[in-house]
Amino acid sequence: NAGVTQTPKFQVLKTGQSMTLQCAQDMNHNSMYWYRQDPGMGLRLIYYSASEGTTDKGEVPNGYNVSRLNKREFSLRLESAAPSQTSVYFCASSEAEGFGEKLFFGSGTQLSVL
Amino acid sequence: AQSVAQPEDQVNVAEGNPLTVKCTYSVSGNPYLFWYVQYPNRGLQFLLKYITGDNLVKGSYGFEAEFNKSQTSFHLKKPSALVSDSALYFCAVRDGRGYKLSFGAGTTVTVRA
Repeated sequence: NAGVTQTPKFQVLKTGQSMTLQCAQDMNHNSMYWYRQDPGMGLRLIYYSASEGTTDKGEVPNGYNVSRLNKREFSLRLESAAPSQTSVYFCASSEAEGFGEKLFFGSGTQLSVL
Repeated sequence: AQSVAQPEDQVNVAEGNPLTVKCTYSVSGNPYLFWYVQYPNRGLQFLLKYITGDNLVKGSYGFEAEFNKSQTSFHLKKPSALVSDSALYFCAVRDGRGYKLSFGAGTTVTVRA
């Protein structure tokens, strides 16, 4: 009964380093999302994938890239990390991209960029 | 542009007392409204949603929310709070025209025994 699984749970990077956050869901959901959570700002959408083979930018895509590897997996890559990218990152999925669809979230990745 | 406001950063209540977490929204067109809860070191969990129909929506763990179109509000309520309800609560809105789900900044609820 895993749901949405994110790895790693914690990561510390130096400015300029790169890394990939992994996300996998076992609910056969079509749509997947990456959010970042910052204090006092709620969650902001970085990228999303409405279905396998498609990706689109959200409200804060700069400095990130994504790959929808298959229906289960959606990864987020930081090519050159910056301190402004220190945040908690959440992956989420939904059955479809419908307006009433609820999201299922992973437990998050806490990223610090020094 | 759509937006959500949660006017209270924190809400403190005694166990057994009613709990209300406030949310107001701004969208063009019909709103799709959601409440999510986040427990420490966990991801967000869906509580309830309003799409259309009855203005009073019932959700998980005894929570309910009332949609008020004239006041553009969607307040979360629970008649009798439990210590285990202590968490961070997020209101979210979608305007039905796009993919974007806009979240409020969150309200920390503390229920004291």
